[in-house]
Amino acid sequence: QVHLVQSGAEVKKPGASVKVSCKASGYMFSDYYMHWVRQAPGQGLEWMGMINPSGGRTNYAQKFQGRVTVTRDTSTTTVYLELNSLTSEDTAVYYCARGGLRGYSPIQHWGQGTLLSVSS
Amino acid sequence: QSALTQPRSVSGSPGQSVTISCTGNRNDIGTDNYVSWHQLHPGKAPKLIIFDITKRPSGVPDRFSGSKSGNTASLTISGLEAEDEADYYCCSYAGSYTLLFGGGTKLTVL
Repeated sequence: QVHLVQSGAEVKKPGASVKVSCKASGYMFSDYYMHWVRQAPGQGLEWMGMINPSGGRTNYAQKFQGRVTVTRDTSTTTVYLELNSLTSEDTAVYYCARGGLRGYSPIQHWGQGTLLSVSS
Repeated sequence: QSALTQPRSVSGSPGQSVTISCTGNRNDIGTDNYVSWHQLHPGKAPKLIIFDITKRPSGVPDRFSGSKSGNTASLTISGLEAEDEADYYCCSYAGSYTLLFGGGTKLTVL
């Protein structure tokens, strides 16, 4: 059974950085792409980026290029999302989501979400 | 990239059917069959209900079905139940290892 367990809520000041973790279990970690998706208050889902845990290759939405970094630790089957230069517009729930065997495969499982609040 | 276009809201009475559309372009929905639908209940993690246009994961009732015509994908929920009241999002592969979500549709069961 696939489990994605994310780190707890974060409160940050504008200009700071945040690193959110997602511990995966119940499947072969290196075989499946992992995505990060966020949902701001009152807004829709927004895809941020993905990582191929096998080789660590990443792809990001153009909107977040240069400000986001997704990494993984295969020894702990954990994926990380780091977001820099935070503003109030980054206040959102951040989800890790497991995709399939290919980059174009659909998201199949979701983490429980991590609430990030950015406020001075 | 702009979000895929979905109606903001739809509604139906128990037992009725509703259809939610998701419109993109030839670079995303129109290119292949990598469209999925996700259900969000407030305060809960999203849940995959349709993938590859028409396929249902194990455990998803067959009241949920998907289709596609050209650059528009659709989700149909038949025999509406109160528990179906939720937000629904389409998602498409958009090329170059990127995904694109729709703006979301709020389903109200009257």
